[in-house]
Amino acid sequence: AQSVSQHNHHVILSEAASLELGCNYSYGGTVNLFWYVQYPGQHLQLLLKYFSGDPLVKGIKGFEAEFIKSKFSFNLRKPSVQWSDTAEYFCAVNEADSSYKLIFGSGTRLLVRP
Amino acid sequence: KAGVTQTPRYLIKTRGQQVTLSCSPISGHRSVSWYQQTPGQGLQFLFEYFSETQRNKGNFPGRFSGRQFSNSRSEMNVSTLELGDSALYLCASSSTGLPETQYFGPGTRLLVL
Repeated sequence: AQSVSQHNHHVILSEAASLELGCNYSYGGTVNLFWYVQYPGQHLQLLLKYFSGDPLVKGIKGFEAEFIKSKFSFNLRKPSVQWSDTAEYFCAVNEADSSYKLIFGSGTRLLVRP
Repeated sequence: KAGVTQTPRYLIKTRGQQVTLSCSPISGHRSVSWYQQTPGQGLQFLFEYFSETQRNKGNFPGRFSGRQFSNSRSEMNVSTLELGDSALYLCASSSTGLPETQYFGPGTRLLVL
């Protein structure tokens, strides 16, 4: 069965530090890839998504992610985090052309210290 | 545009009872998906509806069911509640379904005693 792995469950950084959150999936076919964020007390919202084309995707709030097909990975990055980035981050995968469901990773809780 | 709305926001039920949760998608959106979020299992897909038809179903027992109305509003029902059904139930809508962006609602928090 398809699955999504997020390796870091909790990450603590100081402001201005660089961020990279890992995401790997286990599906051999074509996929659509997403990163969602859940700020404290708020709805899940989309950070960025990859469907096709340039494997380096830029999202909102300075986030970007790189799709590496050979590694089945879609890691999220931000060069300099802010205190307001404190949130839980979810990677999600959708089997392209055959499914209308998202498979989510277990999430990574990021705490940014001011 | 108003976002996805879910009612009720909080619910307390006892084991054996049944519950119905409601989701109103963003105006114009015809696809509605439901997810269950728990600390132990994370976010898990329940089902997706488009134009009143269920297109995908997750690995949940038959006690979990849903439907969609002609105005795209959706309901999900859980019968014979178990303690393990305590969770945050999230609804998401999009125009025609994945891979389009799904917009999530605030969720309904269900506590089963």
